[in-house]
Amino acid sequence: QSVLTQPPSASGTPGQRVTISCSGSSSNIGRNYVYWYQQLPGTAPKLLIYRDNQRPSGVPDRFSGSKSGTSASLAISGLRSEDEAEYHCATWDDSLSGPGVFGGGTKLTVL
Amino acid sequence: QVQLVQSGAEVKKPGASVKISCKASGYTFTNSYIHWVRQAPGQGLECMGIFNPNDGSRTYAQKFQGRLTVTRDMSTSTVYMELTSLTSEDTAFYYCARGASCRGDCFGLDFAPFLDYWGQGTLVTVSS
Repeated sequence: QSVLTQPPSASGTPGQRVTISCSGSSSNIGRNYVYWYQQLPGTAPKLLIYRDNQRPSGVPDRFSGSKSGTSASLAISGLRSEDEAEYHCATWDDSLSGPGVFGGGTKLTVL
Repeated sequence: QVQLVQSGAEVKKPGASVKISCKASGYTFTNSYIHWVRQAPGQGLECMGIFNPNDGSRTYAQKFQGRLTVTRDMSTSTVYMELTSLTSEDTAFYYCARGASCRGDCFGLDFAPFLDYWGQGTLVTVSS
């Protein structure tokens, strides 16, 4: 049972805009930055969004992050077949005396 | 270029221990944190611990306390993760990842899961 809740799956057609949600609480998303990772099959995760809405260099501006209260979202516009991957949100929880926490991951299928 | 290279796959029996290495290169070893993350087959990512290679500060997720130990060898810029009392539920890919970078040597801990470089992963299989 993950501290952060993501839908297990999402889908869209090429060119479409899709969003993936990540729900938490006041002790995690509500007070700390959110990070998003993309994991292609058989590979290590890749940092996609940091500090709620910042993109590392090299990440296309089709990817954007937002946060409101205790929930965060990842939006992908102009969906491409290569975007088919698992997406994970992460933050840290002030009520846990330990490292960060991840959502359960969302499998994005490009139809 | 920044690289984290992990040791190879391991097969262990229940009750045994496993020790995985993560060799860092391409940046100043003491200027960034190292996180350990695991992923069981078909499951999500799970943070195990954070380690500061400069001063040895560390924190482990509650479920691993007592079983997890992270250490480092400054001479080779290598971080080690040892997990003891293995069960089948520990079968997973284990990743090291570089966390936040400091302006110079890091002190204390930074919990932010800003993981910009990852190792290739090490598969640990626990089976009798």
